[in-house]
Amino acid sequence: KNEVEQSPQNLTAQEGEFITINCSYSVGISALHWLQQHPGGGIVSLFMLSSGKKKHGRLIATINIQEKHSSLHITASHPRDSAVYICAVLNFGNEKLTFGTGTRLTIIP
Amino acid sequence: DAGITQSPRHKVTETGTPVTLRCHQTENHRYMYWYRQDPGHGLRLIHYSYGVKDTDKGEVSDGYSVSRSKTEDFLLTLESATSSQTSVYFCAISESTDRGRGGAFFGQGTRLTVV
Repeated sequence: KNEVEQSPQNLTAQEGEFITINCSYSVGISALHWLQQHPGGGIVSLFMLSSGKKKHGRLIATINIQEKHSSLHITASHPRDSAVYICAVLNFGNEKLTFGTGTRLTIIP
Repeated sequence: DAGITQSPRHKVTETGTPVTLRCHQTENHRYMYWYRQDPGHGLRLIHYSYGVKDTDKGEVSDGYSVSRSKTEDFLLTLESATSSQTSVYFCAISESTDRGRGGAFFGQGTRLTVV
C-alpha cells in the first residue's frame, strides 16, 4: 500500500506570500496529481506529473521521482487560492489512486 | 469539463434501507473509483473498477458493493445503510498512463445522510 503524506496539514498566510505544500509517498508511482477542493465544492485536478516540473499561471508543481517527493508552489498568493489541496498518486500496475489527507490553505487579505 | 456526473447529488435515507449511487462518464476511461470523504480522514477508496465487470475492493469496502456492466456506468450500493455511512461520496475516473493520458477527473459529489 502506498502511504501518501502531506505537509503542512493547515497553512495560513498573508496575501502575496509564496506558498509551498509538500507531498511524499512510499512506493513507486506512474503519476502524481495535485488536486484542489474549495469549501463545499468539487475536486479539480490542477496538475498531473510523472517527472520534472509543470507551471500553470501562479501555480508550479515539481516532482522528484528518486526521492518520492512532490511540491506544489503558489506565487503571489490570493484569497481565492484558499482551498484544500490534495496530493494523489497513481500506483504502478493497478492504477489505483491513493490520496493524501490534504492541506487546508487560508490566504488572508 | 470532463464528462462525469453523479446522481443523486443529495440524499437522505433511513437506517437499514438500500441506497444506490450512480456515476456516469462519457470519456470512455477505463478506471472508475468510488471514494468517501469524511472530516479528518480525507478521501478513502471504497471500490474501484478497471474494466467492465472487473472490480476490486478499496480500504473501506465493508457494507458497500459495486457493479459495472457498461464502461460508462459505475454503481455504488449501500446494502443496508447505517449512520456511519453518512458522508460525501465522490466518483472519479482515470486513464492509465501507458495509454499516454493518465488524467483523473472527479464528479461533483453526493452528500448522503443516513438518519
